[in-house]
Amino acid sequence: SQTIHQWPATLVQPVGSPLSLECTVEGTSNPNLYWYRQAAGRGLQLLFYSVGIGQISSEVPQNLSASRPQDRQFILSSKKLLLSDSGFYLCAWGLTPLMSNEQFFGPGTRLTVL
Amino acid sequence: TQLLEQSPQFLSIQEGENLTVYCNSSSVFSSLQWYRQEPGEGPVLLVTVVTGGEVKKLKRLTFQFGDARKDSSLHITAAQPGDTGLYLCAGGKGYSTLTFGKGTMLLVSP
Repeated sequence: SQTIHQWPATLVQPVGSPLSLECTVEGTSNPNLYWYRQAAGRGLQLLFYSVGIGQISSEVPQNLSASRPQDRQFILSSKKLLLSDSGFYLCAWGLTPLMSNEQFFGPGTRLTVL
Repeated sequence: TQLLEQSPQFLSIQEGENLTVYCNSSSVFSSLQWYRQEPGEGPVLLVTVVTGGEVKKLKRLTFQFGDARKDSSLHITAAQPGDTGLYLCAGGKGYSTLTFGKGTMLLVSP
């Protein structure tokens, strides 16, 4: 069965510090990978998605970047965090051939920027 | 921009009551998913509907996709405290991405 991991689970960082959040998927190959941010426990905003190694699509221009160094690894980064980067970050995976676009989420990382 | 509007935004009911939440859009979607999310956790997929008019049942939950594939509803019969959570709908229209609604927060009190 497939599993998805995110770490760290929680993170408190000062403004201007760098960020690296990691997501890994087990039990599947060539997944689509996604980074979302959720504010105030409501709707999900898609930040980046990737359909393969080294292929990154950005949905929202901002202070963040993403990379996919391996097939089942997705990293969200920032060089200098802003207060507005605080939120709940979710990684998800899905399979391209599925017309239903189903996505499966990790446990999330709670980021607080002070 | 494809928007999914969910209503109501918040619903507080007593255990045993029935409820329906809605997900509406002016856009046609090839598929629609419903997720439930508990505080501090990732959303969990409940169901996917792909055919206009499709109805799916998951125990006390009934999901329906509109005939025109622009809207969906989720009906819960005899709600229980364990049903408490944020219910999110998401529509698929392209190769790989989803558009999410803002969610309905459901609170079921004993």
